[in-house]
Amino acid sequence: DQQVKQNSPSLSVQEGRISILNCDYTNSMFDYFLWYKKYPAEGPTFLISISSIKDKNEDGRFTVFLNKSAKHLSLHIVPSQPGDSAVYFCAASANNAGNMLTFGGGTRLMVKP
Amino acid sequence: DTEVTQTPKHLVMGMTNKKSLKCEQHMGHRAMYWYKQKAKKPPELMFVYSYEKLSINESVPSRFSPECPNSSLLNLHLHALQPEDSALYLCASSPWQGSYEQYFGPGTRLTVT
Repeated sequence: DQQVKQNSPSLSVQEGRISILNCDYTNSMFDYFLWYKKYPAEGPTFLISISSIKDKNEDGRFTVFLNKSAKHLSLHIVPSQPGDSAVYFCAASANNAGNMLTFGGGTRLMVKP
Repeated sequence: DTEVTQTPKHLVMGMTNKKSLKCEQHMGHRAMYWYKQKAKKPPELMFVYSYEKLSINESVPSRFSPECPNSSLLNLHLHALQPEDSALYLCASSPWQGSYEQYFGPGTRLTVT
């Protein structure tokens, strides 16, 4: 049973518009959430994270929102750029499980020029 | 140096072969990880080394044998693999086990024939 789910396998967005990637989780013990970005033939690269004590974290064009009651988080990219085209993985960890990462299935983002 | 390197990039091996995957980091990280990623699936944790000692083995079959010769190196020895073991094998490191952000290598694409 997947504890972290990304229900959209792919997303296509026009350059300059907003990209919204979604992630849902089931384990209420998760207390830290991360987004990783993966280009083909490369390993995942850390992008942005959020602690469960916050509901928003912003870093440049990237903002992550956390809704604990809904067990839902989202990554907003504004404005989207063609170089953002990649697979985005949501990951979650629980302090009582040694902070090991549980990954979602990934969403492939395509930003069209 | 914020890079995790992995060799080889690609490996094809028969079911009776013995081969090894190598991973190296020079960030002074004391935790290193092996993940397995099948196509269109999230990375799955296999092993965790903390201070060069095996800390977590996620019930991985014994045909996979990890080794941590020193704090910068992590090997994965492969023997008598099955075709279903074909996957991308990712190495990652973090400052210590339980630190949230992990740095991933580009992976080794393994094909078992």
